[in-house]
Amino acid sequence: KQEVTQIPAALSVPEGENLVLNCSFTDSAIYNLQWFRQDPGKGLTSLLLIQSSQREQTSGRLNASLDKSSGRSTLYIAASQPGDSATYLCAVTASGTYKYIFGTGTRLKVLA
Amino acid sequence: GAGVSQSPSNKVTEKGKDVELRCDPISGHTALYWYRQSLGQGLEFLIYFQGNSAPDKSGLPSDRFSAERTGGSVSTLTIQRTQQEDSAVYLCASSSDGPAEQYFGPGTRLTVT
Repeated sequence: KQEVTQIPAALSVPEGENLVLNCSFTDSAIYNLQWFRQDPGKGLTSLLLIQSSQREQTSGRLNASLDKSSGRSTLYIAASQPGDSATYLCAVTASGTYKYIFGTGTRLKVLA
Repeated sequence: GAGVSQSPSNKVTEKGKDVELRCDPISGHTALYWYRQSLGQGLEFLIYFQGNSAPDKSGLPSDRFSAERTGGSVSTLTIQRTQQEDSAVYLCASSSDGPAEQYFGPGTRLTVT
């Protein structure tokens, strides 16, 4: 059974810092991994999708890596800004299926 | 183009009543997902539709929950005889194919009193 863990659960950093959010999963038989952000009271916004054959994806100040064999992904945020404050969620497809299993998220606060 | 839409945005109902939640996916998307997010909890998978295939219902928490997808587009999640523990935000997502990028709607906040 696929399980997804995100560490840390919460993070508070001063503006301008580079930071790394971690996501680990127990079953490497995934199709892809997706990172999202969720603002309070809102739905989810897709940030990056990494297919199982890929190692990383980049979008602006965001870079996500995937090490399928070790069951890990990291989301790197460069030069953090107060507008980056949100909960960041990773999701992976469950073993051999197309349904997604979500981690419980990392709540990020970037202080001005 | 239009994103995923859900209605209603908020629903308050009395315990024991039935409710229907609606999701309009992005046009042309063949995959549709329903999730539930309880207060302070992560997203819980409920059900997944892919084209004309039989839906994956493995996440539905009880037989009070059911979902349909008509004509491969709009989906309705029905909760019968609602209980207080059903209170949550119900999120819908669609993607162009099963493992492709998911796009989420704004959710329906359900409160059972």
